[in-house]
Amino acid sequence: AQTVTQSQPEMSVQEAETVTLSCTYDTSENNYYLFWYKQPPSRQMILVIRQEAYKQQNATENRFSVNFQKAAKSFSLKISDSQLGDTAMYFCAFMKHANTGTASKLTFGTGTRLQVTL
Amino acid sequence: DAGVIQSPRHEVTEMGQEVTLRCKPISGHNSLFWYRQTMMRGLELLIYFNNNVPIDDSGMPEDRFSAKMPNASFSTLKIQPSEPRDSAVYFCASSWDRQWYGYTFGSGTRLTVV
Repeated sequence: AQTVTQSQPEMSVQEAETVTLSCTYDTSENNYYLFWYKQPPSRQMILVIRQEAYKQQNATENRFSVNFQKAAKSFSLKISDSQLGDTAMYFCAFMKHANTGTASKLTFGTGTRLQVTL
Repeated sequence: DAGVIQSPRHEVTEMGQEVTLRCKPISGHNSLFWYRQTMMRGLELLIYFNNNVPIDDSGMPEDRFSAKMPNASFSTLKIQPSEPRDSAVYFCASSWDRQWYGYTFGSGTRLTVV
């Protein structure tokens, strides 16, 4: 079974600064997908960024980027130029590859609560 | 696209009553997932469907929970009888035949059983 660990329950960052959220996972699979989801106080789960394990290049989406270290089973999220609207819970998630190509179970970490301050 | 639509947004019910949560996935998505979120247990997968067929229901806590997907555009999660420990936020999510896509989540139903 896969497990996802987020060791930082809470973090704080000042507006315009950069912050990195940590995530490690445990799996025996070689092919899989990793995601970061954001859950603001509205409780909507919003996909922030995704990474395919077979791709060595780290994914980037505007101010959000990841540092994917497959051998270390690490998948950290970097938020640059933090904004007040980035205040939210951030969840790291893992999906095992299926030969059918269809979506399957997402296993989530326990989340990191990020507070962006003035 | 309207996204994944869940109803109701909030539900308060008395212990022992039947509760039905509803979900309309994004048109064209062929996988649908039901998750439960609590402070103690985080986000747990309850059940998921592919092409309207239940694939994995191992996360359904007990026989009081049941889920159906009669067609590609509608799913229900039913709890009968409800208990206070069922209080949680229930999310529905949908996806299509591209695993790298991840899911699109609905806005959730906050269930309170008193």
